[in-house]
Parts: sequence; C-alpha cells; structure tokens
Amino acid sequence: GAVVSQHPSWVICKSGTSVKIECRSLDFQATTMFWYRQFPKQSLMLMATSNEGSKATYEQGVEKDKFLINHASLTLSTLTVTSAHPEDSSFYICSAKGLAGAPYQETQYFGPGTRLLVL
Amino acid sequence: ILNVEQSPQSLHVQEGDSTNFTCSFPSSNFYALHWYRWETAKSPEALFVMTLNGDEKKKGRISATLNTKEGYSYLYIKGSQPEDSATYLCAPPNTNAGKSTFGDGTTLTVKP
Repeated sequence: GAVVSQHPSWVICKSGTSVKIECRSLDFQATTMFWYRQFPKQSLMLMATSNEGSKATYEQGVEKDKFLINHASLTLSTLTVTSAHPEDSSFYICSAKGLAGAPYQETQYFGPGTRLLVL
Repeated sequence: ILNVEQSPQSLHVQEGDSTNFTCSFPSSNFYALHWYRWETAKSPEALFVMTLNGDEKKKGRISATLNTKEGYSYLYIKGSQPEDSATYLCAPPNTNAGKSTFGDGTTLTVKP
C-alpha cells in the first residue's frame, strides 16, 4: 500500500514553455501533498504544501506565480512550472500524507520524482 | 522548524560489516522523527517513525534508536549488504507545528 506515482519522470522543454507535473496517491487518499525540489548534491527543499480544496502554502523564496499548484482531488496534485527557464532545471519530487487518523498519517510517501531540463 | 544534521555524509563499508550513522536535532522542540531510505532511481521509502525517548524500532537488519534528551537518533545496519546501498534521510514530519526539513542524508555504499 501507500504508493505515489509521478508523471512524467523526465521532461525536456524549450525555455518559455510551461510544464505540468502530476502527483497521484494510488491506493490511499491524501489531503496533503508536498512538493520538493532537489538541486545537484543538495538535499530536498520543501517548495510548497498542497491541501485538497484550498490554496497551496508556499515556502519563503518560492514564487507562487511561477510554480502553480492545484490539488483538485484527494488523490491528485499538480505542479505547473510556468514559462520555464534553464534555472528551473531540477529534480522535482512530491510526497503525500494520509488522512488524519489513517494508518498513513504523518509518514510521507514519496513519488519517484520528475527530472526537468529546460533548454 | 526542527533542523536536523546527519553524519557522516558518506560511508563506504564492506559487505558483512555492521554500520551506524547519526541524525542530530535540537532536543528542545522535538515532535517526531522519520527515517527514510532513498535508493538511486527509486522513491524515498519510509523506514521508521520515532516519537518517544528510548524508542527502538527494527526492520530486518536495520534498527533505529531515539534519544530526545540529547537530541539524536541512530540508524544501525547489521551485516550490510550491497542492496543496503542508498542515501538515508531523517526529517521531522510535515505538520502544522513545523515543516519537514531534510538533512543532507548519509550515503551508504556497500562493496561486495
């Protein structure tokens, strides 16, 4: 149980295009999903917390108009990198947390990540 | 925010060796601590949730202990195998009380 998928796993795009990354909890409901970014040789950096049915909470220094997050259902959150530029090239990974009181509460279940390369 | 530090940053051991590494945190505002294993090209996998001082959790050859008074958690691997090669991360949970701030992890390489 507790599987999280991410799509796509790889994306290469031209500068100026927008890229959408999907994060799905496959076998449990997740009211909360998290989006992280990892730069080379660095640890995971929390970008934002995505709550189903409400606006995402962004960490300091993360542009909400640049990284649009939508959490439309209990199993899907999307991250859209708008007008991507080469400096947005990175590894993006999501995680999901189960419903309060559920067996998956508190523990984060991670997707496999999406590697974005902006040319 | 509970900032964690992990040491060492990397570790190379021979197959069969036992090893351990550390996750340190300020003891004053501890809530809980999670250990994750992140193998290359796979998703980080939750290993243990540590909550109470003196907690000791075990999964196969891997175990973890927690000392909230002195602010550290140890992860032990007994008889390391090549498949244990991964980066091991610790972090507090993401809750309304605080954010999950991951350390840099300890990257373990087990040589056959």
